[in-house]
Amino acid sequence: DGGITQSPKYLFRKEGQNVTLSCEQNLNHDAMYWYRQDPGQGLRLIYYSQIVNDFQKGDIAEGYSVSREKKESFPLTVTSAQKNPTAFYLCASMAGASPYNEQFFGPGTRLTVL
Amino acid sequence: QQPVQSPQAVILREGEDAVINCSSSKALYSVHWYRQKHGEAPVFLMILLKGGEQKGHEKISASFNEKKQQSSLYLTASQLSYSGTYFCGTFSGNTPLVFGKGTRLSVIA
Repeated sequence: DGGITQSPKYLFRKEGQNVTLSCEQNLNHDAMYWYRQDPGQGLRLIYYSQIVNDFQKGDIAEGYSVSREKKESFPLTVTSAQKNPTAFYLCASMAGASPYNEQFFGPGTRLTVL
Repeated sequence: QQPVQSPQAVILREGEDAVINCSSSKALYSVHWYRQKHGEAPVFLMILLKGGEQKGHEKISASFNEKKQQSSLYLTASQLSYSGTYFCGTFSGNTPLVFGKGTRLSVIA
């Protein structure tokens, strides 16, 4: 079955630690996205990538980093510079960054800082 | 710029109708609608394109007023399964989708 997988589902981190969230898709999509979701805030874009080896900052990129070395993979690192990282993180992909294409979302990772 | 959704929340009894609105200050190429159940991934409902074309769920009804940059999602004869948070996303150029803050819909028996 084609789709997007995220791991882990739940992640706990101590303050000052970097953590990496995994996102893999087998839909052969060019574009991939990372969103952060907080209660009442909707989906806020962290980073996006429209092609391998290229990515752009979204609205709330500070304290996060990404890489896009393979088409199917777009991992997100939450660094210690992110002051309030506790949130639900969603990865998504699109066949191409076009108004005509829908986004497909992964199941999400819930990150909690202890 | 983030589109504005209204209402923020609505409670319906089974069988009742609801309208969710999405408004943008930018000229739009398309409006996307998604529904998210608590703790789950958002699921695609439909896309409304500039020019009148639509793509998506056959049982979902929506409109797109290109002049006003507004879209409305119509939920008729609501069922318990309609409960969730509805997000609109707007596409206005060479930038990614921008999502609204969502409308929480609760359908009760």
